Amino acid sequence: EAQVTQNPRYLITVTGKKLTVTCSQNMNHEYMSWYRQDPGLGLRQIYYSMNVEVTDKGDVPEGYKVSRKEKRNFPLILESPSPNQTSLYFCASSLRAGSYNEQFFGPGTRLTVL
Amino acid sequence: QKEVEQDPGPLSVPEGAIVSLNCTYSNSAFQYFMWYRQYSRKGPELLMYTYSSGNKEDGRFTAQVDKSSKYISLFIRDSQPSDSATYLCAMSASEDDKIIFGKGTRLHILP
Repeated sequence: EAQVTQNPRYLITVTGKKLTVTCSQNMNHEYMSWYRQDPGLGLRQIYYSMNVEVTDKGDVPEGYKVSRKEKRNFPLILESPSPNQTSLYFCASSLRAGSYNEQFFGPGTRLTVL
Repeated sequence: QKEVEQDPGPLSVPEGAIVSLNCTYSNSAFQYFMWYRQYSRKGPELLMYTYSSGNKEDGRFTAQVDKSSKYISLFIRDSQPSDSATYLCAMSASEDDKIIFGKGTRLHILP
């Protein structure tokens, strides 16, 4: 089944404790992206990757890191999480960049930073 | 003025009614318009995609774009309880440009 998977789905952590949210897609997509979704603010892009070893900042990259060593995986790293990073996170992928390519979203990771 | 404006709702309508969901935008360069549907505890999924002005129909769903008014709409005919979800509009200026999402409208279809 073609899908985007994220892990973990739910995570409660404490300020400053490094964490990684994994994202994997099995559709051989070139483009991958991370969003956060907050009430009243909608979906905001954190980072995106046009292809392997190519990543770039989105609208709200502060406090986040990403890497794209393999085509299928695009982990999101929070080196020192803070409470303002409490949010619902979505990974998405599409065949290529560009709005004509449908973005497939993962199921989301709900992160709480205490 | 925000780039994309969308009423967050919630919008509650009885089953069978016609639903109208709308977004306005400020960037006249936008040419690609999308509607995503997001069920509770799920990621968004693409529902409709249109280019430039005009209408596009897919079953009970019709997407309408009025570029002169910078206004897009999604109509749902014969609404069903299974249509209850958050609907996000999205748009971009070119095929290679970033997609800008609206904040989403929560829709409840009452049985």
